[in-house]
Amino acid sequence: ELKVEQNPLFLSMQEGKNYTIYCNYSTTSDRLYWYRQDPGKSLESLFVLLSNGAVKQEGRLMASLDTKARLSTLHITAAVHDLSATYFCAVDRGGTSYGKLTFGQGTILTVHP
Amino acid sequence: DGGITQSPKYLFRKEGQNVTLSCEQNLNHDAMYWYRQDPGQGLRLIYYSQIVNDFQKGDIAEGYSVSREKKESFPLTVTSAQKNPTAFYLCASRTRGSNIQYFGAGTRLSVL
Repeated sequence: ELKVEQNPLFLSMQEGKNYTIYCNYSTTSDRLYWYRQDPGKSLESLFVLLSNGAVKQEGRLMASLDTKARLSTLHITAAVHDLSATYFCAVDRGGTSYGKLTFGQGTILTVHP
Repeated sequence: DGGITQSPKYLFRKEGQNVTLSCEQNLNHDAMYWYRQDPGQGLRLIYYSQIVNDFQKGDIAEGYSVSREKKESFPLTVTSAQKNPTAFYLCASRTRGSNIQYFGAGTRLSVL
């Protein structure tokens, strides 16, 4: 059974600081997704990582994937208040279960002035 | 506007009652999914459908049922057998050949 674990689960940051959210998963997969969720809202796709060594960047967020270590990171650079949200990673189970995602627990990010 | 529409936004269920959550998409997507989200947790897959007239159980299908009679519609029924239905329910869809699932705005279900 695929397990996906994020850490930290809660992250309180000051504006302007950098930090990294980690996403570990337990079985082989080469498709990993990062989503953002604002309180009470739906999920917004941030990044799709499809191969070992993939790196994607959008604004102050950068995501990477190491399939050998079964690890993805979401790096936040010079945080701003607008980045406050819950961030989820999700791993595609692949094979005959292609398209079935297993989600991490989510990381609640709060950015303070 | 293309997108995924879930209704209602809020729903209340009485003891022993079945309720149906609607999910409609006009994106011409092939696959559709239902997830449940409990407070402070990630999403868990309830049911999914890759094509019309076919669907499979996800990880927590007990107490739920679905149908896929039309490509654009994937309603979820929460039956009386689901003893703890209070949660946020999200519908998603994906087109064949794409890796991204797009999500609706969700339905928040509570028990009276």
